[in-house]
Amino acid sequence: SQKIEQNSEALNIQEGKTATLTCNYTNYSPAYLQWYRQDPGRGPVFLLLIRENEKEKRKERLKVTFDTTLKQSLFHITASQPADSATYLCAPLSGGSYIPTFGRGTSLIVHP
Amino acid sequence: NAGVMQNPRHLVRRRGQEARLRCSPMKGHSHVYWYRQLPEEGLKFMVYLQKENIIDESGMPKERFSAEFPKEGPSILRIQQVVRGDSAAYFCASSPPDSFSYEQYFGPGTRLTVT
Repeated sequence: SQKIEQNSEALNIQEGKTATLTCNYTNYSPAYLQWYRQDPGRGPVFLLLIRENEKEKRKERLKVTFDTTLKQSLFHITASQPADSATYLCAPLSGGSYIPTFGRGTSLIVHP
Repeated sequence: NAGVMQNPRHLVRRRGQEARLRCSPMKGHSHVYWYRQLPEEGLKFMVYLQKENIIDESGMPKERFSAEFPKEGPSILRIQQVVRGDSAAYFCASSPPDSFSYEQYFGPGTRLTVT
């Protein structure tokens, strides 16, 4: 069955550093991969989508990579700030589907 | 443009009662999705609806759960004869008719507690 793995341990980093979160998937060949941010007690917020034919995508301080050979996506936040502290969800989609499969998410804590 | 609205935000039901969760999508959005999130677990897809049509209900439990998205009014997720295991956060998301980014806009969720 399809499996999406995100590090269950919280990532603690110092303000100003680059945070890197990992999403691995197995038994799956997604055509797209989305990243969402979720704050406690709130719904997820869409951040970025990357297509299988794109190696990298950037949006302001965010960068996402998509390696279909390794079956992995990396999510980077540069110059991190305490306000970036949240849980980040990886959500691959199959081609032709509007329904992503969400990973459990990784909690990021940025210390001032 | 108001975001996705869900109500109630918190709902307490006793075992055996019915729970009705409402979702108003963003203006102009015609696709609605329902997800369930249990503590320490990821979002699990339940059902995908367009106006007056259920497109995909592969994530819905076979019994006690139903969903609708009428021509007028909000989408409703209905849980009959609730059990303790139904306690969870239920999120609704919406998307426009032609969403080339596949982006979904989520509501704040309804937290259901079954006592």
